[in-house]
Amino acid sequence: QVQLVESGGGLVKPGGSLRLSCAASGFTFSDYYMNWIRQAPGKGLEWVSYISSGSSYADYADSVKGRFTISRDNAKNSLYLQMNSLRAEDTAVYYCARGSVSDYWGQGTLVTVSS
Amino acid sequence: DIQMTQSPSSLSASVGDRVTITCRASQGISNYLAWFQQRPGKAPKSLIYAAFNLQSGVPSKFSGSGSGTDFTLTISSLQPEDFATYYCQQYSTYPRTFGQGTKVEIK
Repeated sequence: QVQLVESGGGLVKPGGSLRLSCAASGFTFSDYYMNWIRQAPGKGLEWVSYISSGSSYADYADSVKGRFTISRDNAKNSLYLQMNSLRAEDTAVYYCARGSVSDYWGQGTLVTVSS
Repeated sequence: DIQMTQSPSSLSASVGDRVTITCRASQGISNYLAWFQQRPGKAPKSLIYAAFNLQSGVPSKFSGSGSGTDFTLTISSLQPEDFATYYCQQYSTYPRTFGQGTKVEIK
């Protein structure tokens, strides 16, 4: 069955960096483009970034452009989000989700940006 | 960016009620519209894609309709497990955008 498992979250100081990972299984990872979506505490869902199946294309929300970088390793069935220059407003649960319709989601990993 | 506006923001309903949630896009998105359910403390779950297509395993009490700018999600007979927050999302263009959510609570 399709599984997406995020990891790498934690507490980081403003201005710091963190790298999130999403391990995929149960499907042909290299066939799908992938998304990162986040949810601040008590708030709604916010799309963060996507990457195409072969890494040729990617895009970002304006709120993270220039600070976050999405990447993937199809040989390792893994998706990544490198987050730099973190701000308090980046505090959220970060989910990876599969494909254009986000048909499967991971359980999320919590990122807390606080001094 | 395309703005997605859901209404109502919250509603109270009883078990067995029929519930309808509306989602409006600020510009036409054809049928590139998905609906998600999120129970408290859980990850979102995909319910519907392409405005009216049910994801595999989603019960037929859920239905979607609409095209262009106006869409609806209907739950035909509310059950205890359906009390949750529902989100629409457009995937016509980037950035992908979500509605603000509709919280369905028990009356």
